[in-house]
Amino acid sequence: DAGVTQSPTHLIKTRGQQVTLRCSPKSGHDTVSWYQQALGQGPQFIFQYYEEEERQRGNFPDRFSGHQFPNYSSELNVNALLLGDSALYLCASSLRGTFYNEQFFGPGTRLTVL
Amino acid sequence: QQQVKQSPQSLIVQKGGISIINCAYENTAFDYFPWYQQFPGKGPALLIAIRPDVSEKKEGRFTISFNKSAKQFSLHIMDSQPGDSATYFCAPISSARQLTFGSGTQLTVLP
Repeated sequence: DAGVTQSPTHLIKTRGQQVTLRCSPKSGHDTVSWYQQALGQGPQFIFQYYEEEERQRGNFPDRFSGHQFPNYSSELNVNALLLGDSALYLCASSLRGTFYNEQFFGPGTRLTVL
Repeated sequence: QQQVKQSPQSLIVQKGGISIINCAYENTAFDYFPWYQQFPGKGPALLIAIRPDVSEKKEGRFTISFNKSAKQFSLHIMDSQPGDSATYFCAPISSARQLTFGSGTQLTVLP
């Protein structure tokens, strides 16, 4: 049973560019959450998708957007990249309605903005 | 992030020793209290969690102690092993089902 997978593993962009990160949830899961983890910090919640809609959002600007597809996979898009967007982006999947919706994390995508 | 304060930032213990990591929170809406473990190059993984109606939960060498009145909970790792070397995060949850992570504790267990 494959766990949460993310692509690409690493990515280098320049300021002002746009980036798309991808996530495939654990088999049987229907909810995807995205987190940003700056170096030496704990992950911060960006948003959560369920039934192809954004259900919750953390304190991130609307340069950060997402999408969930019918097969439950998800994309995170970041426009007008800033140096401060350099971080590890983590995707977590869960099954809605289960006890406290335990979230399973992927290995992340390391984004570097130059 | 200020909702959750984790300490210490780093911890070095000898093999066989006890590791203790603390977490203090402000949001009284939190109603589930997990600890996550993260190895380099990996995403966080749930280690152990406790509900607020219980003061202590033990799973193998890992124990959570919970003090609701003080709004604090802690992770104790007994008989610490080099394989426990990782970063540990407290990440309490509210009914919104968002994880609110602490800043992390980097644990190093010396052989």
